[in-house]
Amino acid sequence: AQTVTQSQPEMSVQEAETVTLSCTYDTSESNYYLFWYKQPPSRQMILVIRQEAYKQQNATENRFSVNFQKAAKSFSLKISDSQLGDTAMYFCAFIESADNFNKFYFGSGTKLNVKP
Amino acid sequence: DAGVTQSPTHLIKTRGQQVTLRCSPKSGHDTVSWYQQALGQGPQFIFQYYEEEERQRGNFPDRFSGHQFPNYSSELNVNALLLGDSALYLCASSLAERGGGNTEAFFGQGTRLTVV
Repeated sequence: AQTVTQSQPEMSVQEAETVTLSCTYDTSESNYYLFWYKQPPSRQMILVIRQEAYKQQNATENRFSVNFQKAAKSFSLKISDSQLGDTAMYFCAFIESADNFNKFYFGSGTKLNVKP
Repeated sequence: DAGVTQSPTHLIKTRGQQVTLRCSPKSGHDTVSWYQQALGQGPQFIFQYYEEEERQRGNFPDRFSGHQFPNYSSELNVNALLLGDSALYLCASSLAERGGGNTEAFFGQGTRLTVV
């Protein structure tokens, strides 16, 4: 069964510091895409970063980077130089490449609080 | 481009009633997916529409039904509402020809449904 596990329900970090959010997943497929989405109080899901499973190089987007360990089925998100605007719920998710219609499997989320 | 728009933003219904939620996809997108996000949880896949047909369905009862129109907009209908149906309902749009995660899905801001 396809599952996503985020074991940290809530985390806090001081502004300008670095924080890492954990995610593990389970799929029997070898090709898939992994995502981190941010959901601020406005409720709209915003894509933070995406990783293609067949690419060994970890994806980076400005202050956001991932540590992708395919064998361990682990996909953690590192936020550097945390900003107050990073305060939000963060969801880890994946889509199997065999799926033509982009069905997401989401984790339960990590609430990140950036403190001034 | 207005992105994905959902209406209404909030809704209060009584147990046993029926509700219809609406979604207009991002311009150029042809696939609409619906997700239910209970409080404090990650989104759960309900179903997906492409070419006016339901293509995939999650583990939701038949009380949940939908429709897609020729202009790609979509409706989610829930009959015989239960208290447990109270949740944020998210709509996501994407392009089917770039399925399998090889495209960015865009999410609406959701409809907050409260069943009393």
